[in-house]
Amino acid sequence: GENVEQHPSTLSVQEGDSAVIKCTYSDSASNYFPWYKQELGKRPQLIIDIRSNVGEKKDQRIAVTLNKTAKHFSLHITETQPEDSAVYFCAATTGNQFYFGTGTSLTVIP
Amino acid sequence: NAGVTQTPKFQVLKTGQSMTLQCAQDMNHEYMSWYRQDPGMGLRLIHYSVGAGITDQGEVPNGYNVSRSTTEDFPLRLLSAAPSQTSVYFCASRFEINQPQHFGDGTRLSIL
Repeated sequence: GENVEQHPSTLSVQEGDSAVIKCTYSDSASNYFPWYKQELGKRPQLIIDIRSNVGEKKDQRIAVTLNKTAKHFSLHITETQPEDSAVYFCAATTGNQFYFGTGTSLTVIP
Repeated sequence: NAGVTQTPKFQVLKTGQSMTLQCAQDMNHEYMSWYRQDPGMGLRLIHYSVGAGITDQGEVPNGYNVSRSTTEDFPLRLLSAAPSQTSVYFCASRFEINQPQHFGDGTRLSIL
């Protein structure tokens, strides 16, 4: 099956700086890559996603890039704010099953 | 729409007991899944369904059963609870392949 690796496991940034979280996947057939944000004690919530026919997608301060050749995709958060502090998960799927990374705990220091 | 509703929110069981975690969605989604979330391990797929009457195993199916008699409901059964099944359980649904999943609020389960 698919194997998704996520790095780093923890990340601290100063407010206003950028944060980058990277994921790699193993199955070249994976074609949909969502990112979820999970606040403490809450459900995971989708923040952005990208499909394999697109190399980059942006939504305000959040962007995702996909390199199919290298089989990696990254989440970029610019102008970070304290409310961005949470755990972020990447995922990959070929269709029926989603495979999640182990999460990145992001702390934005005011 | 209520989205994905999970009950109960919290449960404590003794080893060997059985129970059913409930999941219901009102979005007419065909695809539903159960995950468990353990510290440092992300979300791992237990079982999933691609429509009423169709279920399949995920990464960690042992000790769990599911059924899908209606589009709306997808219950998860623990047959004989073990301490290793202490976890947070999330149900998720989506409309079709390669669409975003919508998660419920989770069930926090402790097995003593």
